Amino acid sequence: EIVLTQSPGTLSLSPGERATLSCRASQSVSRSYLAWYQQKPGQAPRLLLYGASSRAAGIPERFGGSGSGTDFTLTISRLEPEDFAVYYCQQYDSSPFTFGPGTKVDI
Amino acid sequence: QVQLVESGGGVVQPGRSLRLSCAASGFTFNSFPMHWVRQAPGKGLEWVSVVSYDGNNNYYADSVKGRFTSSRDNSKKTLFLQMDSLRAEDTAVYYCARPPSYYDIFYPMDVWGQGTTVTVSS
Repeated sequence: EIVLTQSPGTLSLSPGERATLSCRASQSVSRSYLAWYQQKPGQAPRLLLYGASSRAAGIPERFGGSGSGTDFTLTISRLEPEDFAVYYCQQYDSSPFTFGPGTKVDI
Repeated sequence: QVQLVESGGGVVQPGRSLRLSCAASGFTFNSFPMHWVRQAPGKGLEWVSVVSYDGNNNYYADSVKGRFTSSRDNSKKTLFLQMDSLRAEDTAVYYCARPPSYYDIFYPMDVWGQGTTVTVSS
């Protein structure tokens, strides 16, 4: 099983600032089959990025992803008020398709 | 529009069973693999299972393997999760979710239901 670790656990920032979130895998995620999701309280998750760096439909350009192998990064270039949420990474390279524990981005 | 609606959640005693359903609409259900993902109260997301588009292949998280069974009825556009031998730690909101691509299970999920709540308690 691929175990994903996310850091930091909480990121306290202000609107307009840049957010950098990390996701590390216990073994290589081949084909960069790594996705990022955003979840707000009381809502289902929303897919942001897949393939480590490809934005899902309708996702703003301020969301960007990078990385390969075991180290991946989600970057939000300039935080908007609606971006304050919890962010999860997920690998879909091999079953079980594990999630990381999440990073909370708050004000 | 594309929609997933879960049902079947409720309060159940430890050791008992429960069957969740996920009704799909607005897309060609029989072409997509389907996932179950759960979230315990105040906790993160946990992937539970995926069933292939034709129902012939299933994969499970270790925490539910041997107790949960996912299946589908493509004629009724419905996904199921049969949960047996339930434990307190199975208490969670259960989401069904669909990937953006046909047939291949190796994709993330871009369409989610609103979730149904399962509480395992005596």
